[in-house]
Amino acid sequence: QQQVKQSPQSLIVQKGGISIINCAYENTAFDYFPWYQQFPGKGPALLIAIRPDVSEKKEGRFTISFNKSAKQFSLHIMDSQPGDSATYFCAALPGAGSYQLTFGKGTKLSVIP
Amino acid sequence: NAGVTQTPKFQVLKTGQSMTLQCAQDMNHNSMYWYRQDPGMGLRLIYYSASEGTTDKGEVPNGYNVSRLNKREFSLRLESAAPSQTSVYFCASSVQGRGGSPLHFGNGTRLTVT
Repeated sequence: QQQVKQSPQSLIVQKGGISIINCAYENTAFDYFPWYQQFPGKGPALLIAIRPDVSEKKEGRFTISFNKSAKQFSLHIMDSQPGDSATYFCAALPGAGSYQLTFGKGTKLSVIP
Repeated sequence: NAGVTQTPKFQVLKTGQSMTLQCAQDMNHNSMYWYRQDPGMGLRLIYYSASEGTTDKGEVPNGYNVSRLNKREFSLRLESAAPSQTSVYFCASSVQGRGGSPLHFGNGTRLTVT
């Protein structure tokens, strides 16, 4: 069973702080690593994604850091805002021929004023 | 532009009843998916359709059937509902699934089986 292990399960951060969510994987065939953001009552939406040929990707306040040798990747949210409060899912896709995205179990982020 | 539309939004079934969850996308996407979301379990793929006319099993296909009616529509059927199928069901679509295209999700169908 291909797995993506996500931590922590929940996270409380002060407004303006840095939120960090970590994911680890086992299958070295994974070659696409997206993060999805989900607000209550809504479906997930793609936030940012990375491929293993780069170690970091930044889009605004959101950054993915990727460590291929450790088989880990993380999401950093800089200057966290109450509007960032949501559940975040990491995911991984095993190879260019696959359609089956494997999701982590999610992290519920609460940003308090 | 509606994106991915799922119906119904909520449904309560009794054990053994059947129902079909409907999904339609208006983005001309080739690939469509059905996921279920359970507390603490993340999203798990039930079935997917890489392109019109094809369907394949995902991680948790038992108890479900699917139909790719045309390029726009992909339905999920529960023939004999069980309490273990209580979940939130999400339909998604992508331009193409292979190689990693963004998934566009609907807002879900919340199903309770008593």
